[in-house]
Amino acid sequence: ELKVEQNPLFLSMQEGKNYTIYCNYSTTSDRLYWYRQDPGKSLESLFVLLSNGAVKQEGRLMASLDTKARLSTLHITAAVHDLSATYFCAVNTGTASKLTFGTGTRLQVTL
Amino acid sequence: DAGITQSPRHKVTETGTPVTLRCHQTENHRYMYWYRQDPGHGLRLIHYSYGVKDTDKGEVSDGYSVSRSKTEDFLLTLESATSSQTSVYFCAISEFGTDNTEAFFGQGTRLTVV
Repeated sequence: ELKVEQNPLFLSMQEGKNYTIYCNYSTTSDRLYWYRQDPGKSLESLFVLLSNGAVKQEGRLMASLDTKARLSTLHITAAVHDLSATYFCAVNTGTASKLTFGTGTRLQVTL
Repeated sequence: DAGITQSPRHKVTETGTPVTLRCHQTENHRYMYWYRQDPGHGLRLIHYSYGVKDTDKGEVSDGYSVSRSKTEDFLLTLESATSSQTSVYFCAISEFGTDNTEAFFGQGTRLTVV
């Protein structure tokens, strides 16, 4: 059974600081996704990582994937308040594009 | 935004009553999914469909059934609602086999079973 673990579960950070969210998964997978969710809203796709060593960047967010270590990271650079949200990683189990999600990281960026 | 509409958006129902949630897509995607979201659990897959009349169970399928009679509609039914099924339900769609294979999510249905 695939397990996906995220840490930390909650992150409070000051504006301007850098931090990393970690996503570990237990079995082989070649696709990993990062989503953002604002309170009471749907999930917004941030990144799709398709292969070992994949790195994608959008604004202050950068995601990477190490399939050998079964690890993905979401790095936040110079955080701003607008990044406050819950971030989920999800791993594709390979059949019918089913996703197994981590429990999420609630990010709070304070002034 | 992907064309996914969930209905209703909010529902309060009594224990033991049947409930049906609807997901409608305009993207003609082959795959459709129902997830539930609960604090501390992220999202968990209930059922999914890989084509008209083709469905399969997910991780937390007990107490739920689904049907897909048309490409665009995927229904989730709680035959006899229980308080443990109080949750936020998300429908998702994807077109498996393409390079990205992203799943796009609907706006969610907040279901409260009292």
